[in-house]
Amino acid sequence: ETGVTQSPTHLIKTRGQQVTLRCSSQSGHNTVSWYQQALGQGPQFIFQYYREEENGRGNFPPRFSGLQFPNYSSELNVNALELDDSALYLCASSLAGRETGELFFGEGSRLTVL
Amino acid sequence: AQSVAQPEDQVNVAEGNPLTVKCTYSVSGNPYLFWYVQYPNRGLQFLLKYITGDNLVKGSYGFEAEFNKSQTSFHLKKPSALVSDSALYFCAVRDKAKGGSYIPTFGRGTSLIVHP
Repeated sequence: ETGVTQSPTHLIKTRGQQVTLRCSSQSGHNTVSWYQQALGQGPQFIFQYYREEENGRGNFPPRFSGLQFPNYSSELNVNALELDDSALYLCASSLAGRETGELFFGEGSRLTVL
Repeated sequence: AQSVAQPEDQVNVAEGNPLTVKCTYSVSGNPYLFWYVQYPNRGLQFLLKYITGDNLVKGSYGFEAEFNKSQTSFHLKKPSALVSDSALYFCAVRDKAKGGSYIPTFGRGTSLIVHP
């Protein structure tokens, strides 16, 4: 069974730039969700994708956007980067309709904005 | 709106002693409650969950949690702590949001330090 993988693991950007983070879901999982974890904080829900459509969103501005592909992999795009966007970005996969099921997390992409 | 509170930033315990990591929650409907553990520079790993049924839930690595509806709590426990249990622990709740999807809310996390 293949776990959740994320890339890149670390990256450094400057204010105003754009970034794309990638996630491959666990085998058989059709739902992907993204989280922002700032230093010393818990993960904050950004959005969730199912069947290539966003079906849930947290309190993040529109410059945070995403995609899900037919193979269930996903991308998180952040435009016009701000210093406060520096964080660990986590991707998690799960099965749709399994609200009682646990999330399976990748190891994250650590973004530093200078 | 749903919320989760972990009142302790840090819990210190000696190896071999019992440990408790506290969590309280607030939801509008029936709570789906979870505990996750995070080791340094890693993603979160699932430990256990409460959905319905027995209030004492057993999970991975000898951890268990007790659901208390009247106190809206879901404390994580282990009878005998190991140094290797030292990590960051997150309580989470999933509740139905607008549009029907279930949005998870995580607590701020509690750092567990087990001393040899």
